[in-house]
Formats: sequence, structure tokens, C-alpha cells
Amino acid sequence: ETGVTQTPRHLVMGMTNKKSLKCEQHLGHNAMYWYKQSAKKPLELMFVYSLEERVENNSVPSRFSPECPNSSHLFLHLHTLQPEDSALYLCASSQDRAGGANVLTFGAGSRLTVL
Amino acid sequence: AQSVTQLDSQVPVFEEAPVELRCNYSSSVSVYLFWYVQYPNQGLQLLLKYLSGSTLVESINGFEAEFNKSQTSFHLRKPSVHISDTAEYFCAVSFSGGYNKLIFGAGTRLAVHP
Repeated sequence: ETGVTQTPRHLVMGMTNKKSLKCEQHLGHNAMYWYKQSAKKPLELMFVYSLEERVENNSVPSRFSPECPNSSHLFLHLHTLQPEDSALYLCASSQDRAGGANVLTFGAGSRLTVL
Repeated sequence: AQSVTQLDSQVPVFEEAPVELRCNYSSSVSVYLFWYVQYPNQGLQLLLKYLSGSTLVESINGFEAEFNKSQTSFHLRKPSVHISDTAEYFCAVSFSGGYNKLIFGAGTRLAVHP
């Protein structure tokens, strides 16, 4: 496989469930990101990892917990979510941290519905 | 403060007509500019970028954008659109000087009708 792969593509969960989103990149990039894309709202940057270290956390509620075990994998652990958390969650990677001339490569997204 | 504004949330257009999607930014430092496209049920993908040099940049599928420093704009244009160009288009800006930030606009939904 090439590029950025996200699983699952679709997820439906109740507010008391615990689930995880997985992202894997095969590009040899050093930085990985989670974005949230909600209808009628701009893209929201949630977390940034550079060389497996979390370097940015944009005031995301603690019910979202990221994990980056190595430079190729990124997880987003979900627990006790709210219906307003329903959205498309996009993973991205770049050679180095975003900024300057770095280009982001995105996965296809995980569509989350919280009932 | 740095920001990106996409002036149109939706742009309907007929097939084979020209289109322009507008993007303006504000920044006190030098910028790098990008257009990303998101087709239905997919993630974003890079369409074109301006890093330096010629202010007119082109993509492989006929889109072009021109960096206008005096007007702080990076509008996206195509002289003749196809149904397959229906997608959401995002303008994005990053900054020189080691400032690790990429800011996206709110997106413009291009709807091409037959």
C-alpha cells in the first residue's frame, strides 16, 4: 500500500463506547496530524506529532486521546463522545512539521457518527 | 494575525464554462500558498502550490492560480470546467521563517452542472 491509509472508513458508536481510529502512512514522513472536518465548519487541527512526539494539541477535549507509537502509525482513541463529535476525521502526514514548503498528504478519512 | 479567506462558500457553474475560486490571505511575513481539492468521500489532495519563482502555477488537470502579492490573493481559475471537477476546494497558507503553521480557508464547493 502507498500513501496514507485510515481505518475504519465508517464508524457508528454510542456515547458510552470506546473505539479507536487508526492511521498508517507509507511515505517515510516524520510528522502526522489529526484534523476534524464538520459540515459547514472549517477544518480543525486537533493534534500534531513530529518524530513521535506530540507538538501541538489545539484545546481538544480529553475524550479524544491520540497515540503515536512510531513514525508510521497514529491512533485516535475515542471514549464517552457526544453527538456533536460526529464528523469526518482526517489523518495527514508530511515530511516535516507543517509550515514552510511542506505539503500534507491526507488519508480518505474516517466518518464517525455518535448516537 | 495570519488568516485565509475564501470569499465564496459555493460556486455553481455549467460544464465548459470558466470558473474562478477566490482566496485572500493576510500575513506580515512571506508566505507559501496551496490549493487542495477534496472529491466526494475522499480526503484532501494537493492541487497546486506556490513556493517561489513564477507567480503563475498550474496543475496537471488544467487549473491555474496566480500569486498576487500586492492584493494578497491566490485565486484559482480554470477556463473550461468538467463535471468531474465537482469537489470542495481549500486554499491554504504557510509561512516562512520556521513558523510551523498551515492555515486552511473554509473551503469553496464547486458544483458543475451539465
